[in-house]
Amino acid sequence: AQTVTQSQPEMSVQEAETVTLSCTYDTSESDYYLFWYKQPPSRQMILVIRQEAYKQQNATENRFSVNFQKAAKSFSLKISDSQLGDAAMYFCAYRNSGGGADGLTFGKGTHLIIQP
Amino acid sequence: DAGVIQSPRHEVTEMGQEVTLRCKPISGHNSLFWYRQTMMRGLELLIYFNNNVPIDDSGMPEDRFSAKMPNASFSTLKIQPSEPRDSAVYFCASSLAGVEETQYFGPGTRLLVL
Repeated sequence: AQTVTQSQPEMSVQEAETVTLSCTYDTSESDYYLFWYKQPPSRQMILVIRQEAYKQQNATENRFSVNFQKAAKSFSLKISDSQLGDAAMYFCAYRNSGGGADGLTFGKGTHLIIQP
Repeated sequence: DAGVIQSPRHEVTEMGQEVTLRCKPISGHNSLFWYRQTMMRGLELLIYFNNNVPIDDSGMPEDRFSAKMPNASFSTLKIQPSEPRDSAVYFCASSLAGVEETQYFGPGTRLLVL
C-alpha cells in the first residue's frame, strides 16, 4: 500500500516571503500522479498543482511550484510571494496511474500560517 | 459549469438514526469517490465508482455504511444506524478517468451524530 508523509504539522511564513512544504511518499509503482490540495477554513478542497511521475519537468502554477525528486520519492511545494489568502491546510496526495480511476492517498496535512 | 454538488451541507442527527448523504458529480465525469475526513484519521477513501460500478469499497468502515450510484449524475452514501464515531466531514469527488486524472471535490457534508 502507498503511504504519504508530511513531516511538518505547521509552518509559518511572513507575507511576501517564500515557503516550502515537504512531502514524501512510498510506492512500488513507476507511474503515478502527485497532487497538492489546499483546504481553507471553508473546508473546500482546492487543487493547487499536480505532477505526473513520468514527467521530469517540475510543475508550476503561477506562484506555486514543486520540486519532484522521483528517486528520493519527494514532492515538495514552494509558494513564492506568500499572500494572506494562502493561509490554509495543505495536503499532499498520491494516486496510481493506469487504466480506470483510483482513489487518492493523502498525507496528514500541513497548516500554513501567513504572518502579515 | 457547476462543480460537484453535495447535500446536505450540514447534518445533525441522533445515534441510531439513518443518514443519507447525496452527491451530484461534474457533468461528463465517469468516476466518483467518497472520502471521510476526521481529526484522528485524516482524509480517507471510503469507496469509488467507475462508470456507475463500485470498484473498491475496502475503505468502507463496516456494514452500517453503504453507497450507491444509480446513474451517472447521482450517488448516495448511507449510514444506518449512525453512531457518534461517524461524526466527520464527508467529501464527494469526481474525475474523468483516462482523460484528466484530477479529482474535483464537492464542498463536503459536515455530519454530527449525537
